[in-house]
Amino acid sequence: DADVTQTPRNRITKTGKRIMLECSQTKGHDRMYWYRQDPGLGLRLIYYSFDVKDINKGEISDGYSVSRQAQAKFSLSLESAIPNQTALYFCATSDFPWTGGTDTQYFGPGTRLTVL
Amino acid sequence: GIQVEQSPPDLILQEGANSTLRCNFSDSVNNLQWFHQNPWGQLINLFYIPSGTKQNGRLSATTVATERYSLLYISSSQTTDSGVYFCAVAYSGAGSYQLTFGKGTKLSVIP
Repeated sequence: DADVTQTPRNRITKTGKRIMLECSQTKGHDRMYWYRQDPGLGLRLIYYSFDVKDINKGEISDGYSVSRQAQAKFSLSLESAIPNQTALYFCATSDFPWTGGTDTQYFGPGTRLTVL
Repeated sequence: GIQVEQSPPDLILQEGANSTLRCNFSDSVNNLQWFHQNPWGQLINLFYIPSGTKQNGRLSATTVATERYSLLYISSSQTTDSGVYFCAVAYSGAGSYQLTFGKGTKLSVIP
């Protein structure tokens, strides 16, 4: 969905390096999410944010941190990358269901990260 | 946490055939969605369907929340339907939020 953008789209880095993945959205949604996808598996939730001051850990937050700089921007950081963090990373947004939205998730195009 | 099981894991269809994909979940949920991931990796929302039935062209979905399952129907399949179909469920309440994806059904439609 062009309304949700991710940068970079591909990144190769080395073990121990700090890396940041960025997500921006123009949908005006309050809720934003970071997921990782590994081959043959579904998506797993890393962190989610229901508004700028509300950030929560998901299923697999160890080794990751996030920053919600504005309603439209949500960044994911790997403080010290390790090879098992090699994966496809997705950002998503959704409406707040109690303001008339449906909590339908809209995904960015993904960032393919390789940690050597 | 909530467990999500999708079946079958793999499905090969001849173009024009119909199919049914299933999603079982282990607990009450507020939200169920079906997604299609195309061969280029893009995830597209197909249905937001916590209960009931919806249709969109050749695709339809039914969720029976009381029995904790959802079905995605694809009729007259086309090669462009190939990819992986994911079911995702969410529960929010009492200050907690869980969102879980199934492992997907990989669909290959051959001409």
